[in-house]
Amino acid sequence: DAKTTQPPSMDCAEGRAANLPCNHSTISGNEYVYWYRQIHSQGPQYIIHGLKNNETNEMASLIITEDRKSSTLILPHATLRDTAVYYCIAGGFKTIFGAGTRLFVKA
Amino acid sequence: GAVVSQHPSRVICKSGTSVKIECRSLDFQATTMFWYRQFPKQSLMLMATSNEGSKATYEQGVEKDKFLINHASLTLSTLTVTSAHPEDSSFYICSARVVTEPTEAFFGQGTRLTVV
Repeated sequence: DAKTTQPPSMDCAEGRAANLPCNHSTISGNEYVYWYRQIHSQGPQYIIHGLKNNETNEMASLIITEDRKSSTLILPHATLRDTAVYYCIAGGFKTIFGAGTRLFVKA
Repeated sequence: GAVVSQHPSRVICKSGTSVKIECRSLDFQATTMFWYRQFPKQSLMLMATSNEGSKATYEQGVEKDKFLINHASLTLSTLTVTSAHPEDSSFYICSARVVTEPTEAFFGQGTRLTVV
């Protein structure tokens, strides 16, 4: 699995877009980028994943750079319930977690 | 999405006893399940990979005789913490995948183990 680097914490105002960056410069050609989040004392929740193309679902959008060395998770209209630790994972069958980004959504 | 259920959600046990945690995939068959532990304010650490009908593969530094994993069916994996000690107190989480990537992993809600 490729190593990922994320900022340790970020703040976002409620109702605004939250843009969470992730660097995965050593990602290999067949490794996907996955995003999960963990709300306090719960199991992680899948958000989105992608290989090369940008992806969007009901929860978020994933923007992957053309060279695939970095990506951004976008929560278009953050709510207080989006306060969580967000994990970016580049890899394979095993899900190996890094430190993640702690997102605080403030009223 | 698919549902993974863990039981119990919380357990308190005495030092020296064993405790079993169950992980079930409710609406799909999981050929592979994964077990993690998480200490306060830390990330999830992968402990082992469990394949149905075969022995689990443990990550480096995880004692296989301490953490017994059984994956007897395509919908159930169990983790038994044997001879538990207070330092085994942690949040244990399982996950399951339907098939090999690129599908996502589905996680249980976690089990909070406290050893007194």
